[in-house]
Amino acid sequence: NAGVTQTPKFRVLKTGQSMTLLCAQDMNHEYMYWYRQDPGMGLRLIHYSVGEGTTAKGEVPDGYNVSRLKKQNFLLGLESAAPSQTSVYFCASRSTLAGPQETQYFGPGTRLLVL
Amino acid sequence: DQQVKQNSPSLSVQEGRISILNCDYTNSMFDYFLWYKKYPAEGPTFLISISSIKDKNEDGRFTVFLNKSAKHLSLHIVPSQPGDSAVYFCAASANNNNDMRFGAGTRLTVKP
Repeated sequence: NAGVTQTPKFRVLKTGQSMTLLCAQDMNHEYMYWYRQDPGMGLRLIHYSVGEGTTAKGEVPDGYNVSRLKKQNFLLGLESAAPSQTSVYFCASRSTLAGPQETQYFGPGTRLLVL
Repeated sequence: DQQVKQNSPSLSVQEGRISILNCDYTNSMFDYFLWYKKYPAEGPTFLISISSIKDKNEDGRFTVFLNKSAKHLSLHIVPSQPGDSAVYFCAASANNNNDMRFGAGTRLTVKP
């Protein structure tokens, strides 16, 4: 049981390049989330999904797109990367059965550097 | 507009003593509060939570206190152990929705 995994672990992009971050969970969770963590800011929610085929905006969605084609995967896309998107990105998932927010399980993070 | 604030970026305590981490919030709609712990190069892991209908929740060495009138919560770790050294994030949500807001974190160092 791997839990929540993220690919890649680290990436360097040039301004204007595109990329996709992959999050996968093997816990059959309905809800999935993408956060970014910046110094002095804590974690901020980018987008989330309450089920396969559905997505919604979080606190800081601009410059990102997401897709949830399969229940176990949640993709985060950057169409045209900007230096302001340099950050550590965390994916999380939780079960609807649990109810409380504490059952958000986080992946290990993806460190992205945009030059 | 940071709705959840952790004003102490770091805290250092001696092993065996009490660690007190503080968190303030501004949104009166928040009704569920959580603490997450994060080690370097890992994702955050859930530690303890409290609902707004309570003012205290205890789990082993960890206790969270909530003061709704002051919009303040704190995490007490007693006794502190070197393995508790990590970054602690306070988080809050309203109506169990998915938009959870995090504080900036406090780095706790427990010295042997």
